[in-house]
Amino acid sequence: GENVEQHPSTLSVQEGDSAVIKCTYSDSASNYFPWYKQELGKGPQLIIDIRSNVGEKKDQRIAVTLNKTAKHFSLHITETQPEDSAVYFCAVGAGSYQLTFGKGTKLSVIP
Amino acid sequence: DADVTQTPRNRITKTGKRIMLECSQTKGHDRMYWYRQDPGLGLRLIYYSFDVKDINKGEISDGYSVSRQAQAKFSLSLESAIPNQTALYFCATKRTDSTDTQYFGPGTRLTVL
Repeated sequence: GENVEQHPSTLSVQEGDSAVIKCTYSDSASNYFPWYKQELGKGPQLIIDIRSNVGEKKDQRIAVTLNKTAKHFSLHITETQPEDSAVYFCAVGAGSYQLTFGKGTKLSVIP
Repeated sequence: DADVTQTPRNRITKTGKRIMLECSQTKGHDRMYWYRQDPGLGLRLIYYSFDVKDINKGEISDGYSVSRQAQAKFSLSLESAIPNQTALYFCATKRTDSTDTQYFGPGTRLTVL
């Protein structure tokens, strides 16, 4: 089955700096790559996603890049703010029904 | 997401007890999922359902069962709870369209003593 590795497991940045979280996957047939943000006491919420026919996607301060050849994708958050502090999960989809999740990255933004 | 609700939000039970966690959605999605979250392990799939008559085991189905009572309702049962089933449980929904993502409920924190 699919194997998803996510790094780092924890990340601390100063407010205003950038944060980068990386994920690798094993199944070359995977074609859907979402990122979720989970705040304390809440369920994961989709923040951005990318599909295999696109190399990069941006939404304000958030961007995702995909390298299908190398089988890795990354989440970039610029100008970090304290409200960006949360656990972030990458996920990989290789069909129409199932996602495999990374183990999560706890991001702390220090004011 | 308020469109996906889970009850109860917190539950403490004892070893050997039967417990049911419930999920309801108003999104009109056909597909529903149950995940378990443990610290450092991410989200692992327990069961998923494509419609009322189509239920499938996920990665960690042992010790769990499910029931899809209607398109909008998907319940997870622990027939005889054990302490290592202490975890956060999330329900998620998805449209049949493969281009859409999964939408998660707020979770149920289950503690088995």
